[in-house]
Amino acid sequence: EPEVTQTPSHQVTQMGQEVILRCVPISNHLYFYWYRQILGQKVEFLVSFYNNEISEKSEIFDDQFSVERPDGSNFTLKIRSTKLEDSAMYFCASSSGVGYEQYFGPGTRLTVT
Amino acid sequence: KNEVEQSPQNLTAQEGEFITINCSYSVGISALHWLQQHPGGGIVSLFMLSSGKKKHGRLIATINIQEKHSSLHITASHPRDSAVYICAVTFGNEKLTFGTGTRLTIIP
Repeated sequence: EPEVTQTPSHQVTQMGQEVILRCVPISNHLYFYWYRQILGQKVEFLVSFYNNEISEKSEIFDDQFSVERPDGSNFTLKIRSTKLEDSAMYFCASSSGVGYEQYFGPGTRLTVT
Repeated sequence: KNEVEQSPQNLTAQEGEFITINCSYSVGISALHWLQQHPGGGIVSLFMLSSGKKKHGRLIATINIQEKHSSLHITASHPRDSAVYICAVTFGNEKLTFGTGTRLTIIP
């Protein structure tokens, strides 16, 4: 069964460093998402991406964040200068269309020290 | 503000019991999703529904659009059902708005 994959599973970085979280969505999906979950809190939407551009972003997704689909398979989330409060689990998801089920990756646990 | 509320926050039950988890939302939605989050953190989609009822194995999800309420039921619960169950909705766009989750523990 096709699945969304994410790498790395755990990333530890120092405050101020740049990180890139990688996702490989399901191959025929067209819509891509990033969500995050701070420990003990609910999952929050960060950004949605379709047709090579951001379709919606949340207040969390400020200038420190960017997304890219550099080739036909990868979907990346970059945090330019990490802060302690960026420590969270980051989930990538993909779907075949608006109103269709979203499939989640296993997540990347980001720890900023 | 678009809110999603779940109850209870925590639920402990004996193996074999019938489980009900509730979700309510504040405004009209286009779809409601039930998700399962395992202890390791991974999220699995269980159901997506916009009306009526869906069943998969021992899991049943229902939604009442007029009352803005959905329930997830688990019949003949088993310790492997122990997880966090999350209700999430879409409000006419693509993004999911999540509830806080219900932590279910099934005791053998």
